[in-house]
Amino acid sequence: QKEVEQDPGPLSVPEGAIVSLNCTYSNSAFQYFMWYRQYSRKGPELLMYTYSSGNKEDGRFTAQVDKSSKYISLFIRDSQPSDSATYLCAMSAGSNYQLIWGAGTKLIIKP
Amino acid sequence: DARVTQTPRHKVTEMGQEVTMRCQPILGHNTVFWYRQTMMQGLELLAYFRNRAPLDDSGMPKDRFSAEMPDATLATLKIQPSEPRDSAVYFCASGLVNRETQYFGPGTRLLVL
Repeated sequence: QKEVEQDPGPLSVPEGAIVSLNCTYSNSAFQYFMWYRQYSRKGPELLMYTYSSGNKEDGRFTAQVDKSSKYISLFIRDSQPSDSATYLCAMSAGSNYQLIWGAGTKLIIKP
Repeated sequence: DARVTQTPRHKVTEMGQEVTMRCQPILGHNTVFWYRQTMMQGLELLAYFRNRAPLDDSGMPKDRFSAEMPDATLATLKIQPSEPRDSAVYFCASGLVNRETQYFGPGTRLLVL
């Protein structure tokens, strides 16, 4: 079993829908949680960064961490075709530890 | 607009040839990472440098891969000899001391025939 599990999708939703992307993990030492977005043939770019538990909001994006359930989520409101990309979760136990990556979920927003 | 640059963007080579990939990290960043991405394995960390010193290369096949930082503005990843299974996209990323926020380059798409 991998340390970080992420459904590869693809997840296809109509424009305007609320999207929920999720990762589960097994290492309770993880404290830092990130979401990266990767467009086709591009490098990943940092989208959201959360330390420990709780929610963080940035525009249409909300990152949620539930450490008790070892579950993190990324919500996208009012989804746009330009949100079509692969979303990767990543997490670590701290600055001296390696980032552990999910496999990425391919998201398709249909106009 | 500061960004990580990588060269070449695409490389096609024959099995057994040497491949060198180069990365220019963002000015002022003191951590550099090399990743390999494939459909099957996803993102795999190959090497990690802090202040030009290699701190973690456990993910790198030592017999054929080598990574160096000859100066703060250049990181290199070499494969010698290359094999078809090395075909992948190789990303360089840079950041500040903490590992969590990494800024990725556009990648080098390698095909070994």
